[in-house]
Parts: sequence; structure tokens; C-alpha cells
Amino acid sequence: AQSVTQPDIHITVSEGASLELRCNYSYGATPYLFWYVQSPGQGLQLLLKYFSGDTLVQGIKGFEAEFKRSQSSFNLRKPSVHWSDAAEYFCAVGSPEYGNKLVFGAGTILRVKS
Amino acid sequence: DTEVTQTPKHLVMGMTNKKSLKCEQHMGHRAMYWYKQKAKKPPELMFVYSYEKLSINESVPSRFSPECPNSSLLNLHLHALQPEDSALYLCASSQLQTGWAQYFGPGTRLTVL
Repeated sequence: AQSVTQPDIHITVSEGASLELRCNYSYGATPYLFWYVQSPGQGLQLLLKYFSGDTLVQGIKGFEAEFKRSQSSFNLRKPSVHWSDAAEYFCAVGSPEYGNKLVFGAGTILRVKS
Repeated sequence: DTEVTQTPKHLVMGMTNKKSLKCEQHMGHRAMYWYKQKAKKPPELMFVYSYEKLSINESVPSRFSPECPNSSLLNLHLHALQPEDSALYLCASSQLQTGWAQYFGPGTRLTVL
């Protein structure tokens, strides 16, 4: 069965520091991979997506993610975090085997300290 | 334009009330979704509509009744809810083909008294 693991429930980084949020997935077929961000009480905003091709994907707000098939990972990175990046981040995975359904990770809450 | 709108933003209802949540998108997407999200949890899929027809029902209790009047609108009718149904209800839409990203609305915060 498909699964998505975000190993870190909480991460705290200093403003201006670099950030990496981890995501590992377990899928039988070629996955489609997404990162979403959610501020408290808000909907989910799509940061970036990977379908195929270049394994380094650029997204909005200065985020990028790298697909590593050998490690079944799709980690999210940002070189310099801003206080406004404090939010919850969800990794999600889809696959042709499962139609339009996405499987979400449990989420990682990012805190930014000044 | 990647906007999905939802109304109302907040809803408080009693267990005997009937209410509806509304969702609208104008991106030409032919797949629309309802999710339920409890605090500190990821969204849980409830229903999927494809070409205005219900294609997935994740064993949701019948007190939740979805409706897709046209390709831009999605409703969720609520009746005889329980306090444990209090949550953030999110609507999303996407292109129909598998793998296309889902775009989410801001959600409706539902409280059942």
C-alpha cells in the first residue's frame, strides 16, 4: 500500500538559515509528488510538483525539491528562511494506480525564530 | 487563476440543523474534491467528482451528502451531524488526468454543537 512519511513533526530554524524538510514515500509505480503549505486555519497552497523529467523542481516562494528515486525521497529545501515561512508543510503523493487520490504525509510544522 | 472559493468561512450548527457548504472554481477543472481536516492532521479525502459524477466516496456517513450541480460548483449538504464532525472542510479541484495538481480552497471551519 502507498504511504508517505514525514519524519519530522516539528522543525525550528533561525530566520535566514537554510531549511530542508524530509519526505519519503512508498509506491509501486512512478509517483507524482507534491509539496503543500498550510498557514493556521487556511487552505493548502501548492508549492511545487514533480511529474517527470528534471529531478530538481523549482516552486513558489523560493522553495525547491529534489526527487531521488533511489532513496524514495522528495525533500523540500529553501536556502534562506523568512519569518513568514512559519506554517505546516505537507508532502503528498499520487500514482496512476490510484487515480485522482493523493496520499498525504502527517505534516511538518515549521517554526522560525528571529 | 488558480483560485477555489468556499463559503461560508465559518459555520456553527446544531445536531438537528441542515446546512450546506459551497465550493466554486473557474479553472475549467473537471475533478472536484471534498476533504475533512481535523486539527494537527493531514486532509482526509471524503468525495471525488469527475465530470460532475461521483467517482469516489471514501465510506463517508450518509449525514454528508455531496452534490455537483455543474462543472464549476460543488456542494456538501450536512444533516444531523455529530460534534465529532467539527473540522475544517476543504474543497479542491484539478484537471481530470491523474497526476495533475489539486488546488485547494481556504476551507470552511465547521463547529457542531
